[in-house]
Amino acid sequence: SQTIHQWPATLVQPVGSPLSLECTVEGTSNPNLYWYRQAAGRGLQLLFYSVGIGQISSEVPQNLSASRPQDRQFILSSKKLLLSDSGFYLCAWREVTVEAFFGQGTRLTVV
Amino acid sequence: DQQVKQNSPSLSVQEGRISILNCDYTNSMFDYFLWYKKYPAEGPTFLISISSIKDKNEDGRFTVFLNKSAKHLSLHIVPSQPGDSAVYFCAAGTGGYNKLIFGAGTRLAVHP
Repeated sequence: SQTIHQWPATLVQPVGSPLSLECTVEGTSNPNLYWYRQAAGRGLQLLFYSVGIGQISSEVPQNLSASRPQDRQFILSSKKLLLSDSGFYLCAWREVTVEAFFGQGTRLTVV
Repeated sequence: DQQVKQNSPSLSVQEGRISILNCDYTNSMFDYFLWYKKYPAEGPTFLISISSIKDKNEDGRFTVFLNKSAKHLSLHIVPSQPGDSAVYFCAAGTGGYNKLIFGAGTRLAVHP
């Protein structure tokens, strides 16, 4: 069966520090991969999605970037965090069905 | 541009009654729609979906209705249970299984 791993679960980082969040999927090949963010009291905002290795589509201009170095690995990064980057970050995968499956999320607090 | 809108931020329902969650969309190119349930500090879990060629899909206590002419869909939960208390997100996508766009969510509280 397919599983998705996302870590860490919580993270507190100072303003200006770098960020690296990692997501891996098991039990599937060539999935679509997604990064979403839920800011406090807000909905799920699509940040990036990828349909294959090395392919990244960015949905909103921002301080973040994404990479897909391997088929089932998706990384969200920032060189210098801003206060506004705080939020709940979710990784998701999707294959041949319409529904996407989400990880448990990372709560990022930038202080 | 908010393509998927959930205009009710919260809903309170008595246990055993029907919960109706609403969602509107603006992009006529969407050809499938989904509902997700989310608890705090967890990822959303998939509930039910509907294709644009249908107007109703049912799964146990959950039924989704789609009105394409009005660009509106709704999720009915009957009967509502306290364990249904969560945030519900509506989502929509187009063919090709690329982008999946979510609404802002509706917080449902089911009380005894």
